[in-house]
Amino acid sequence: LAKTTQPISMDSYEGQEVNITCSHNNIATNDYITWYQQFPSQGPRFIIQGYKTKVTNEVASLFIPADRKSSTLSLPRVSLSDTAVYYCLVGRPDGSSNTGKLIFGQGTTLQVKP
Amino acid sequence: EAGVAQSPRYKIIEKRQSVAFWCNPISGHATLYWYQQILGQGPKLLIQFQNNGVVDDSQLPKDRFSAERLKGVDSTLKIQPAKLEDSAVYLCASSPGTGLVEQYFGPGTRLTVT
Repeated sequence: LAKTTQPISMDSYEGQEVNITCSHNNIATNDYITWYQQFPSQGPRFIIQGYKTKVTNEVASLFIPADRKSSTLSLPRVSLSDTAVYYCLVGRPDGSSNTGKLIFGQGTTLQVKP
Repeated sequence: EAGVAQSPRYKIIEKRQSVAFWCNPISGHATLYWYQQILGQGPKLLIQFQNNGVVDDSQLPKDRFSAERLKGVDSTLKIQPAKLEDSAVYLCASSPGTGLVEQYFGPGTRLTVT
């Protein structure tokens, strides 16, 4: 199972773009990269998922280089409400018995300041 | 669409007592997961069900933890007897079950063992 490494914490200010990088050197060919967000006293919430190049949705962008050994979650113009823990995960959780499970690391605690 | 429901939200018990948590997944979701999240750490998968069958329970402490998902819908996680180190938030999640799908998490049950 691929292990991920990400910064423990980051600080930013409102209106700035935030980039959180995750390292996953042992990613397997069939693995996807998924990011979750967790607010205090809530369960994690799916943000974005990708396999290669770039994926964008209404919340964030995910940049994945060709070697797929790292990925970067980009949050445009953050606000105070984006203060949360962000988890990078690698795997294929599809419910079948032969696939890897999601492994959450410690995550990156993002603190957005006014 | 209703989200994943969990109860109770909070529970305080003494060590060696037993406790049970209940989860009702999103309607139609075939896969159900139980996670344990200790303060300051990411969620750790305890058990994964596909319908009413167990897909992965490799990290479930089977000497004291048990889980069931009768009829492939709601699920119960039990701890008997509880230890101090079981103090954590217990999260339930569900997903449609096939393919590369996101997991939807409930609010969790915060367990304190004294």
